[in-house]
Amino acid sequence: EVVLTQSPATLSLSPGERATLFCRASQSVDRYLIWYQQKPGQAPRLLIYDTSNRATGVPARFSGSGSGTDFNLTISSLEPEDFAVYYCQQRLKWPPLTFGGGTKVEIK
Amino acid sequence: EVQLVESGGDLVQPGGSLRLSCAASGFTFSDYAMSWVRQPPGKGLEWVSAISGSGDRTFYTDSVKGRFTISRDNSKNTLYLQMNSLTAEDTAIYNCAKGVNPSHPYYFDNWGQGTLATVSS
Repeated sequence: EVVLTQSPATLSLSPGERATLFCRASQSVDRYLIWYQQKPGQAPRLLIYDTSNRATGVPARFSGSGSGTDFNLTISSLEPEDFAVYYCQQRLKWPPLTFGGGTKVEIK
Repeated sequence: EVQLVESGGDLVQPGGSLRLSCAASGFTFSDYAMSWVRQPPGKGLEWVSAISGSGDRTFYTDSVKGRFTISRDNSKNTLYLQMNSLTAEDTAIYNCAKGVNPSHPYYFDNWGQGTLATVSS
């Protein structure tokens, strides 16, 4: 099973700041890494698929990079609606599909 | 607009059973693999099971193999999860999630709001 480790667990930032979230895989997942955003009481929302492809309707301030075992999600300038929990997921080696433990981006 | 609406969650005793349903609309249901993803209250996401668009292939995470059965009725645009021999570790919000491929779930571009299954005596 591919274990995904996200860091940091919590990121405290102010609106307008840049956020960089990390996801490390226990073995290579090539570029098959996905990012979701989840707000309290809501279902997850697809943000980025296959490392760097934004899903439909996702603003350009969200970008993804990486390959192999190390991946980043960057939010270039935080908007108030971006404060949420972010999860990474791999789709290369399954079953099972696996998720990271999440990074909470909170208002400082 | 894609809509996924889960139902069937309830409070059940350890060792009991539940059947979850997910009614889908807004897309050609049989064209996409579907999954169940669960989230214990206040915790992270765990993929549970998937089924191909035609229903001929099913996939499970190890912890539910032999206890859970995923199925679908493409004539009713509905996904199911039969859960047996439930334990407290199965307590979670269960979301159905739409895949992006007919054969494999890969990742999820639409999610339902979830239904809560609580296993407790």
